[in-house]
Amino acid sequence: GQNIDQPTEMTATEGAIVQINCTYQTSGFNGLFWYQQHAGEAPTFLSYNVLDGLEEKGRFSSFLSRSKGYSYLLLKELQMKDSASYLCAVRGVNSGGYQKVTFGTGTKLQVIP
Amino acid sequence: DSGVTQTPKHLITATGQRVTLRCSPRSGDLSVYWYQQSLDQGLQFLIQYYNGEERAKGNILERFSAQQFPDLHSELNLSSLELGDSALYFCASSVEQGQETQYFGPGTRLLVL
Repeated sequence: GQNIDQPTEMTATEGAIVQINCTYQTSGFNGLFWYQQHAGEAPTFLSYNVLDGLEEKGRFSSFLSRSKGYSYLLLKELQMKDSASYLCAVRGVNSGGYQKVTFGTGTKLQVIP
Repeated sequence: DSGVTQTPKHLITATGQRVTLRCSPRSGDLSVYWYQQSLDQGLQFLIQYYNGEERAKGNILERFSAQQFPDLHSELNLSSLELGDSALYFCASSVEQGQETQYFGPGTRLLVL
């Protein structure tokens, strides 16, 4: 099976940096996604890591360590509009041998002035 | 706009009733996924179809069923509705069956009274 852990809530100040962690256990690991979801809206894709290391994309970066089953999403120069839930999702293999993505419960980030 | 469309946007119905939610994937995408998201809950994967065939099954109740048609649109049928079925139902699509980046539709908000 797949198990994903991320903090439930975080608060950070506008202009600051915040790191959202995600730890996972899965069989047949084949990639980790980060999605952003504003309240009542659809999740939108942020990043995808399949190899170890840091992937930078503007103000957002995502890091993966496969040996540790660990990832983080780094948000720099926080803006009020970054207040949202951030979902960690892991791609692995299900019992039928097919690829399957499992979503974590998400980290609700509140950015304060 | 992700290119995934869902209808209806909102649905209010009574317990015991049956409803059908509809999803059209992005042009060219062969896989469709259905998720349920209850208030303040994570995304719960329900079911995936690839090119008309069921590919993966998650926590989908027996009262729920889905199918993907030859034109690749999909329908999720919810029957004998209960109060606890009130939730946001998202459809997502991806190009292949490997559950790479998924693009989410705007969701259908179901309220069972």
